[in-house]
Amino acid sequence: KQEVTQIPAALSVPEGENLVLNCSFTDSAIYNLQWFRQDPGKGLTSLLLIQSSQREQTSGRLNASLDKSSGRSTLYIAASQPGDSATYLCAVKNSGAGSYQLTFGKGTKLSVIP
Amino acid sequence: GAGVSQSPSNKVTEKGKDVELRCDPISGHTALYWYRQSLGQGLEFLIYFQGNSAPDKSGLPSDRFSAERTGGSVSTLTIQRTQQEDSAVYLCASSLEAGGPHTQYFGPGTRLTVL
Repeated sequence: KQEVTQIPAALSVPEGENLVLNCSFTDSAIYNLQWFRQDPGKGLTSLLLIQSSQREQTSGRLNASLDKSSGRSTLYIAASQPGDSATYLCAVKNSGAGSYQLTFGKGTKLSVIP
Repeated sequence: GAGVSQSPSNKVTEKGKDVELRCDPISGHTALYWYRQSLGQGLEFLIYFQGNSAPDKSGLPSDRFSAERTGGSVSTLTIQRTQQEDSAVYLCASSLEAGGPHTQYFGPGTRLTVL
C-alpha cells in the first residue's frame, strides 16, 4: 500500500528566504506526483504535476523535482512571500492497481513572516 | 470555464441525522472522485465514478456512506445516521478519465460538522 510522508509538518520562515519542502513515498510505481496548495477553508489548488518520466517541473518561483527510484520529491520555493503561507500537500498517483486515486501526505504548513 | 463546484459549502447537523453532499464536476469529465479530510489526518480516498459506475467502493468508511452519480454528471454523497467522527471536509474532484495520468481537479469542499 502506497504511503506518502511529508517533512516538516510545519515551517516558519522570514520573507525573502528560499525554502524546500520534502515528500517521500514508499512505492515507486507511480504515474505522476502532484504538489497542491490548500488555503484555510478552501479546496486544493494544483501547483505542479510531474510525470514519472520527468525529473522536474517549474512554474514561476516554484520548482518541483522527482527522484522516482528513491521515492522522493522536493518543492523549492524561491524568494518566499507572505502570500505563500498555506498548507502544501504532496500526492502520488500509482500506475498499478488503484491508479484512479491519489494518495496524499499530511502536508506541510508554511508560514512566511513579513 | 467553470471548475468543480460543491454544495453546501458548510453543513451543521445533529448526530443521527442524514446528510447529502453534492458535487458538480467539470463539464466533459467522465471520472469523479470523493475524498475526506479529517482534522489532523491527510486526505483519504472514499470512492470514484467512471461514468455512472462506481467500480471501487472499498474506501467508504462504513455502510452508512453511499454515493451515486446520475447522467454522468452530478454526484451525491449521502451519510446516514451521522456520527461525530463523520465531521470533516469532504472534497470532490473530477478528471477526463479515471485511469492513467489524467489530472484531478478539486472543488472547494463541504465542511460537515456533526454535533
